[in-house]
Amino acid sequence: KAGVTQTPRYLIKTRGQQVTLSCSPISGHRSVSWYQQTPGQGLQFLFEYFSETQRNKGNFPGRFSGRQFSNSRSEMNVSTLELGDSALYLCASSLLGLGNGYTFGSGTRLTVV
Amino acid sequence: QQPVQSPQAVILREGEDAVINCSSSKALYSVHWYRQKHGEAPVFLMILLKGGEQKGHDKISASFNEKKQQSSLYLTASQLSYSGTYFCGTEMVGTSGSRLTFGEGTQLTVNP
Repeated sequence: KAGVTQTPRYLIKTRGQQVTLSCSPISGHRSVSWYQQTPGQGLQFLFEYFSETQRNKGNFPGRFSGRQFSNSRSEMNVSTLELGDSALYLCASSLLGLGNGYTFGSGTRLTVV
Repeated sequence: QQPVQSPQAVILREGEDAVINCSSSKALYSVHWYRQKHGEAPVFLMILLKGGEQKGHDKISASFNEKKQQSSLYLTASQLSYSGTYFCGTEMVGTSGSRLTFGEGTQLTVNP
């Protein structure tokens, strides 16, 4: 059974640019969540999608957005990148979400210079 | 509301036991436990749903005290492979969908 696949693994972007990260969940998992991990802030919740609908959103500015497709694959977009956006972005999939365990992808390491 | 984990770090010798605690000020629906090794993704260990559940596999088990909104992770007879950062994640009662809020993590080091 394939795990959660995130692409790309590494990205270097310049301030002001935008970036799109991709996540393919485990087959059959309908809930996809995104997290930002930094040494100072730990694991911070970005948003959760289920059946193409955003069910929850964390406390991040509107520059952070996401979407989910009919095949449950998800993308997140960060516009007008800032230095502080440098982080490991993790995607996690779950069968149904609430009350189910999560399987994390290996993450995308984003560096903003 | 971020759950509070304690201790922040613990160093063990192989074979020793450890307990990691996680507490919340909000009514919890579930508590998750994950382990993350350096440079790797967090790995799901177990989930406890409200109702005083205890779970475990191998020598790692956990409990959930719904009255106190606290969970504890028990690692017995620790092995070198147990080293890593342990995170608890909580889902609160009344949340629509899923929103897992993680604690700051407990760094566990097991030495030979």
